[in-house]
Amino acid sequence: NAGVTQTPKFQVLKTGQSMTLQCAQDMNHEYMSWYRQDPGMGLRLIHYSVGAGITDQGEVPNGYNVSRSTTEDFPLRLLSAAPSQTSVYFCASGLAGGRGETQYFGPGTRLLVL
Amino acid sequence: AQTVTQSQPEMSVQEAETVTLSCTYDTSESNYYLFWYKQPPSRQMILVIRQEAYKQQNATENRFSVNFQKAAKSFSLKISDSQLGDTAMYFCAFMKGYSGAGSYQLTFGKGTKLSVIP
Repeated sequence: NAGVTQTPKFQVLKTGQSMTLQCAQDMNHEYMSWYRQDPGMGLRLIHYSVGAGITDQGEVPNGYNVSRSTTEDFPLRLLSAAPSQTSVYFCASGLAGGRGETQYFGPGTRLLVL
Repeated sequence: AQTVTQSQPEMSVQEAETVTLSCTYDTSESNYYLFWYKQPPSRQMILVIRQEAYKQQNATENRFSVNFQKAAKSFSLKISDSQLGDTAMYFCAFMKGYSGAGSYQLTFGKGTKLSVIP
């Protein structure tokens, strides 16, 4: 199993550009989510999904879009990048049994918006 | 809404010594789970230990153990026999314990940076 994979590892964008951060998992997990990590802020939830076709907003959703057409993939789209979106982005997945199942994290994508 | 507070932004410990990282949380939920995650310089998030709130027994994983005080809403992590590889950011996290809307989400504290000194 590859676990949770994310691409790219690092990206530089100019303000106003759009891009998609890719996330895939091969563990057949229902739950997938995106977090951003900023210095001194911990990890904050952007969007999450409990299955194909089902998505919802987290704590900091503005400026980001998601969709989930398959169980395996959960891409995060930045529609018009802003410097405030400079961050490290983590994708995570886990079973959705409501029993505190372990969530597995990808290696992260570092994004720099100039 | 849940909140998780880690009051120690940075800590250091001598190799082979014991260190305790603090975490408090606030919730109105009765069923929940608590976690400690480790983030080494590689940035990979690694689960260290998990505690079920309905269990009074403190969780242990080798050199890692927790002191879970449910009434005080406290969940500290003790690392025994500290090793250089324990140098990392440590995050405390909360998850509701039921299926449904708002479940499965992890609420994180801001982290404690631990340095193990040779």
